[in-house]
Amino acid sequence: DAGVIQSPRHEVTEMGQEVTLRCKPISGHNSLFWYRQTMMRGLELLIYFNNNVPIDDSGMPEDRFSAKMPNASFSTLKIQPSEPRDSAVYFCASSLYGTSIGEQYFGPGTRLTVT
Amino acid sequence: AQTVTQSQPEMSVQEAETVTLSCTYDTSESDYYLFWYKQPPSRQMILVIRQEAYKQQNATENRFSVNFQKAAKSFSLKISDSQLGDAAMYFCAYRRYNNNDMRFGAGTRLTVKP
Repeated sequence: DAGVIQSPRHEVTEMGQEVTLRCKPISGHNSLFWYRQTMMRGLELLIYFNNNVPIDDSGMPEDRFSAKMPNASFSTLKIQPSEPRDSAVYFCASSLYGTSIGEQYFGPGTRLTVT
Repeated sequence: AQTVTQSQPEMSVQEAETVTLSCTYDTSESDYYLFWYKQPPSRQMILVIRQEAYKQQNATENRFSVNFQKAAKSFSLKISDSQLGDAAMYFCAYRRYNNNDMRFGAGTRLTVKP
């Protein structure tokens, strides 16, 4: 299996621009998670989906952030407009929930820099 | 709310020696899962070991083992015969049995000295 795939690996953008991060979960997994990691706040859960349905988005910082999962094999996290404080590493993870221990497998992350 | 505490921001160990990383958690649940993840400089989060709370036997994966003390809500990670490649951030994580939400500790940075 290819594991969780994220793109791009690095993104540098200017303040005010729209940023879209992409994730392909492991085939067969039914849960998908978006995390943000910074030195100050550590690893934060932003939102997660079960069977393509958003379950908990309480970690989404504000309305500038949105996430979608149109099908079982693809999800996006969008920031519009981006701000310098959004600079972080964004991880996508997937798991098989309901029939196993449900450990999460992480993608390689997207390092976002907003100037 | 469930919280996970890693009280050691940094630890160091001599190559080939043994080191133990601490983790405590707060929960009122009886059924849950615990995990240790490793994040090397490549920043890839890698699952190291997992433990079901209903199992009394401590999980072991090669050189990695845990000391799970349910009553004390403690879940420490022991790394035996430490290798240079073990140098990384280590995160302890908790997940409730009937909930997909995983809570992570702040991490412990492990340095391995040659």
